[in-house]
Amino acid sequence: DAGITQSPRHKVTETGTPVTLRCHQTENHRYMYWYRQDPGHGLRLIHYSYGVKDTDKGEVSDGYSVSRSKTEDFLLTLESATSSQTSVYFCAISGARVHQPQHFGDGTRLSIL
Amino acid sequence: DQQVKQNSPSLSVQEGRISILNCDYTNSMFDYFLWYKKYPAEGPTFLISISSIKDKNEDGRFTVFLNKSAKHLSLHIVPSQPGDSAVYFCAASAGTGANSKLTFGKGITLSVRP
Repeated sequence: DAGITQSPRHKVTETGTPVTLRCHQTENHRYMYWYRQDPGHGLRLIHYSYGVKDTDKGEVSDGYSVSRSKTEDFLLTLESATSSQTSVYFCAISGARVHQPQHFGDGTRLSIL
Repeated sequence: DQQVKQNSPSLSVQEGRISILNCDYTNSMFDYFLWYKKYPAEGPTFLISISSIKDKNEDGRFTVFLNKSAKHLSLHIVPSQPGDSAVYFCAASAGTGANSKLTFGKGITLSVRP
C-alpha cells in the first residue's frame, strides 16, 4: 500500500469555523491531490500540487485553499466552513513518470453542522 | 458537462460469472484510462489502467478494453467473486505531468451474489 496518511479521519465542526486537513506521504512523490466525494458526483478534484510551493486549482476549488511547504505534506484548509462542504475528502499521490496511477489515502469524513 | 460517464449505477452478478462494467467519455484528448475499486470507509484502490495506444490490457481476472472510436471502455471481471463487491470508478486523464489530472465517473456498485 502507498504510504499515505490522512488526518483527522473524522471531524465534526460548526459552520464558520476554519478547518485544516492534512495529507502525509512517505513515498517522496512529486504530485499530490485533494478530492471530495459526494453522492451522485464521484470524486471531484479540489486542488493539486506539482511540487513544493507549487499548487493549482481543480474543478471545485471555491472555498478551499492548500499549502505544500514540504514534499511529504499537503494541507487543505477550509477558511470558513459551510454545510455544503460536508463531504468525504481524499488525498492522492502520484509519481512524475508518464501515465502513473494515483494512489489514495483512506479519507477524512468531515461534517459541518 | 460530465466528461466521464458511468450510466448504470449498479450491477448484480452471480459468483463465477462475468462482470462487465461500462464507461463512456466525451473528451477526445483523454489518453490514459483507469479503473479504481472502492470499499466503504476506505480510499479508492487502483485496479488496472490502459493507455490510448492499446485496446486491451489484462491483469489476472481483470481485463480492460478500450474502443477509441466509440469513446468507450469496459472492465471485465472473470470469474466474479463475492470479494469483488464494491464501487468501481472509471477515470481518465489527458497529457502528462501537471496536466495529468484525473476526471472520474460517478461510479457503479457491483454486487456479486454467492
